[in-house]
Amino acid sequence: GAVVSQHPSRVICKSGTSVKIECRSLDFQATTMFWYRQFPKKSLMLMATSNEGSKATYEQGVEKDKFLINHASLTLSTLTVTSAHPEDSSFYICSAGHPGQGKGNNQPQHFGDGTRLSIL
Amino acid sequence: QKEVEQNSGPLSVPEGAIASLNCTYSDRVSQSFFWYRQYSGKSPELIMSIYSNGDKEDGRFTAQLNKASQYVSLLIRDSQPSDSATYLCAVNSGGYQKVTFGTGTKLQVIP
Repeated sequence: GAVVSQHPSRVICKSGTSVKIECRSLDFQATTMFWYRQFPKKSLMLMATSNEGSKATYEQGVEKDKFLINHASLTLSTLTVTSAHPEDSSFYICSAGHPGQGKGNNQPQHFGDGTRLSIL
Repeated sequence: QKEVEQNSGPLSVPEGAIASLNCTYSDRVSQSFFWYRQYSGKSPELIMSIYSNGDKEDGRFTAQLNKASQYVSLLIRDSQPSDSATYLCAVNSGGYQKVTFGTGTKLQVIP
C-alpha cells in the first residue's frame, strides 16, 4: 500500500475565487505531506511542507497567505488557493511518504493524481 | 543551493534496447535517491529507491548509485513504447522526507 488520493482532479473557475484541494493518505498515516506545483514541461516545484498539527513550512518565494495549508489530521492535508488569478493556473500535486517504507527519515514519496487548476 | 541535474533529452531508443538515464547531485551528504516516471499530464509514480552504493535491480529496471562521484543512474532493459515518459531523479535534501527533483529526462522508445 501507500495510496495518496487528491481531489478534485480538475477545477475551472473565475478569477477571485478561492479553491480548496484535498490530499488524503488512504492506507497510512502521514505526519508530513508536501505540496508541489508544476508548469507545462517543467519539473516539480516544492511549494510547502505540510505538518500535522502545526504550521506549514513554505519555500522561499511562496506566499503563505496566498496558499493556505491545513493539516488537521494524520490523513488529510488541504491547500487553499485564495483569490486565485490566471497566473495561479497550474498543476498542483501533493505527496506523502509511508512511514513503513524506505530508510530512516527518507521515505519515498507517493503522489496524488494532481489537480489541474484553470483560472479564467 | 542543492541541485539535481539531468539531461532533458529527449532520449530516443529503439524498442528492445537498453535506455540509460543519468543524474548528478551536488549535496555530498545526500543519503536517499529515487527515480520516478511521469507520463504527460499525470503525476509522478515511484519506480525505484536506492540508498547504498552499487546496483539495485527490480524487473527491467536497475538503479545504480555512486556516492563518491555523486551520480545515480537508471537502466531500463528491453525498453517498450509504454516506457515513453519523463523520468525524474529525486535526492533527499535535508529535512524529514524532503527531496529535490531534477528537471527530468524525456524518454522516447521507438517501435
